[in-house]
Amino acid sequence: EAQVTQNPRYLITVTGKKLTVTCSQNMNHEYMSWYRQDPGLGLRQIYYSMNVEVTDKGDVPEGYKVSRKEKRNFPLILESPSPNQTSLYFCASSSYGKMGNTIYFGEGSWLTVV
Amino acid sequence: QKEVEQNSGPLSVPEGAIASLNCTYSDRGSQSFFWYRQYSGKSPELIMSIYSNGDKEDGRFTAQLNKASQYVSLLIRDSQPSDSATYLCAVADSWGKFQFGAGTQVVVTP
Repeated sequence: EAQVTQNPRYLITVTGKKLTVTCSQNMNHEYMSWYRQDPGLGLRQIYYSMNVEVTDKGDVPEGYKVSRKEKRNFPLILESPSPNQTSLYFCASSSYGKMGNTIYFGEGSWLTVV
Repeated sequence: QKEVEQNSGPLSVPEGAIASLNCTYSDRGSQSFFWYRQYSGKSPELIMSIYSNGDKEDGRFTAQLNKASQYVSLLIRDSQPSDSATYLCAVADSWGKFQFGAGTQVVVTP
């Protein structure tokens, strides 16, 4: 079954405590991306990756880091989380370089920073 | 700045009526167009994709695309309470890079 798996699904953390949200896909997709979703603002792209070792900033990259050492994994790192990073986060993947392929989403990670 | 614009709603629709959602996009290089449905707190799920001008029908859903006007729409016929959700318009370029609109909230009233 085609899947994008992200963990943890729910997390409450304190300001400044580094955390990592993992993302893994089993579809051999080149393209992976992280979004955050806040009320009234829709999906906003944080970072994306077009392939292994190729990453680029999205619309709201401040306060986040990513890495793409393996094709299937694309972790999101919050080095020093702050309350304004409280949000619902989605990892997504799709085939890159092929028109018409859709994007698959993980189930989402609810992050609260206190 | 490439943009995808949607009315935020809420769009209130009586049960059994037609819901009409609109989306405009700014990137003329966009090649693929999608509508996703998202229930509160859940991940978006694909309901329609369209790649060429005209209409595409799938069950109660019809997507319409007009590339010259940079406009894509979604019609939901015989709206049901289970259609109450936020509908996201998404466009992708020829390489598959996606942009999403902020979504239109649809509320189907019994």
